[in-house]
Amino acid sequence: SQTIHQWPATLVQPVGSPLSLECTVEGTSNPNLYWYRQAAGRGLQLLFYSVGIGQISSEVPQNLSASRPQDRQFILSSKKLLLSDSGFYLCAWTRPATGELFFGEGSRLTVL
Amino acid sequence: ILNVEQSPQSLHVQEGDSTNFTCSFPSSNFYALHWYRWETAKSPEALFVMTLNGDEKKKGRISATLNTKEGYSYLYIKGSQPEDSATYLCAHWVGGTSYGKLTFGQGTILTVHP
Repeated sequence: SQTIHQWPATLVQPVGSPLSLECTVEGTSNPNLYWYRQAAGRGLQLLFYSVGIGQISSEVPQNLSASRPQDRQFILSSKKLLLSDSGFYLCAWTRPATGELFFGEGSRLTVL
Repeated sequence: ILNVEQSPQSLHVQEGDSTNFTCSFPSSNFYALHWYRWETAKSPEALFVMTLNGDEKKKGRISATLNTKEGYSYLYIKGSQPEDSATYLCAHWVGGTSYGKLTFGQGTILTVHP
């Protein structure tokens, strides 16, 4: 069966520090991968999606970036965090036939 | 409607009550409408994926209907239980390809009191 994991679960970082959140999927090949964020008081916002290795589409201009170095690995990064980057980040993959999203456990980022 | 909108934002009901929420979405370029349940300290989990106008889906005490022409979906919970307490999200899938994008509503926070 397919599983998705992301880490770390919780992160407290100072403004201006770098960020790296990692997500891996097991049990499927060539998944479509997504990074979502829920900021305080807001809905889930799509940040990036990827249909294959090295293929990244950005949905929202920001100081975040994403990379897909391997088929089942998706990384969210920042060189310098802003206060507004605080939020709950979710990685997800889709089952192509239905588009149903399967989410990781989430990573709560607090930027101080 | 340009975005996905859900109402109400929050709802408090007593155990045993039946309840329903609304999701409104753009009716043009429709491909699918998803409902997810997001319990505290867990990840969102899909309840329903609906694609056809007039679709009705059911899972236990939870059911959903879809009207793609007017751009709305209803989620119903019959005989609410405390374990139904969660945020219910709907999401609109735009585009007919496998890499279509889901746009989420703000969610409806349901609290079921024993």
